[in-house]
Amino acid sequence: AQSVTQPDIHITVSEGASLELRCNYSYGATPYLFWYVQSPGQGLQLLLKYFSGDTLVQGIKGFEAEFKRSQSSFNLRKPSVHWSDAAEYFCAVGSNTGKLIFGQGTTLQVKP
Amino acid sequence: EAGVAQSPRYKIIEKRQSVAFWCNPISGHATLYWYQQILGQGPKLLIQFQNNGVVDDSQLPKDRFSAERLKGVDSTLKIQPAKLEDSAVYLCASSLGPDRGETQYFGPGTRLLVL
Repeated sequence: AQSVTQPDIHITVSEGASLELRCNYSYGATPYLFWYVQSPGQGLQLLLKYFSGDTLVQGIKGFEAEFKRSQSSFNLRKPSVHWSDAAEYFCAVGSNTGKLIFGQGTTLQVKP
Repeated sequence: EAGVAQSPRYKIIEKRQSVAFWCNPISGHATLYWYQQILGQGPKLLIQFQNNGVVDDSQLPKDRFSAERLKGVDSTLKIQPAKLEDSAVYLCASSLGPDRGETQYFGPGTRLLVL
């Protein structure tokens, strides 16, 4: 069965510190993977996506993610977190019909 | 380019009442999705349209939920009668097509509270 697991429900980091959000997926074929961010009261915004090629993907707002097939992971990283990055982050895998299967999300809190 | 529009943004109803949500996708997007996001969970697909045809409604509680996409553009999602567990954010998304690598663009959502 296709699924996505985000092991960390809540993460707190200090402003300026580095960030890594974990994502593990289960998918039978080559996965299409996405990271979305959701700010309070808003819809989801795409940060980046992977479906082939270079396993290190660059996204918007200084985020990047690395696809590791051997670990079934697609972790999101940012070298220096800003207060405006506080939000909820969702990892998702694209199914054959196009629908997205989301993880439960990780809430990021940024300390000043 | 205008994004995905949804209305209303907020709705409070009592259980057993009915409610309808409206979505206007990005112009030219053939595929439209309705997701339900319960507090503390990731969004889950309710129904997917390709133009005005249904691609996937396997997770739609058909005894109380219905959706349509007349003329392959706007869509409405209806709940009748509502239950307490329907309290959630209902997100509409659209994409150019149904390919699994296609980017989906999300609207701001409708937050429903059922009392």
